[in-house]
Amino acid sequence: QQQVKQSPQSLIVQKGGIPIINCAYENTAFDYFPWYQQFPGKGPALLIAIRPDVSEKKEGRFTISFNKSAKQFSLHIMDSQPGDSATYFCAASRPSGNTPLVFGKGTRLSVIA
Amino acid sequence: KAGVTQTPRYLIKTRGQQVTLSCSPISGHRSVSWYQQTPGQGLQFLFEYFSETQRNKGNFPGRFSGRQFSNSRSEMNVSTLELGDSALYLCASSLNQGPYGYTFGSGTRLTVV
Repeated sequence: QQQVKQSPQSLIVQKGGIPIINCAYENTAFDYFPWYQQFPGKGPALLIAIRPDVSEKKEGRFTISFNKSAKQFSLHIMDSQPGDSATYFCAASRPSGNTPLVFGKGTRLSVIA
Repeated sequence: KAGVTQTPRYLIKTRGQQVTLSCSPISGHRSVSWYQQTPGQGLQFLFEYFSETQRNKGNFPGRFSGRQFSNSRSEMNVSTLELGDSALYLCASSLNQGPYGYTFGSGTRLTVV
């Protein structure tokens, strides 16, 4: 019930492409869904987060799509750049229930010029 | 403003020894959470401290412990080290209890030989 399943494990796209990373969760009580970006040698950095009362949220080139009925959410990166090459993690939590973040296993993205 | 500072950055220990890792949160942040990151298991929650009290604990053996001081700095201790404890240990700070707005440090890379 606490799992968050993330796919794909790795992804290679051309510069300017739109990589899509998908996550599925089991616990319907989760109500906070952030995405993190991690570069080698660094800790994860919060990119964007969504609550289940909206179906989409955009911040710059990053968009989260959320499907509550399917218990799925995804990250889209518009006009991807080589500098976006990193590992991306989705996560889920129920902060009001004192539930810590449960992370997906991560997606290693490579954007090639 | 200064980010989350973790010391030391790298550590090599022998099986059976104990180790103490330190985390200084962002100024004003009162919550510190610890995560273990490994290639196989990904990011796994260890514990959260808020106002010097442990508020939440993950599914790790009692060899893993932590504490938080009155200035919000936190330490985690691992006793009787095992080879499987080799990992990147990350701490994250947030303003209040819970995962909203987590800012991660760059981590301490622990190698047990």
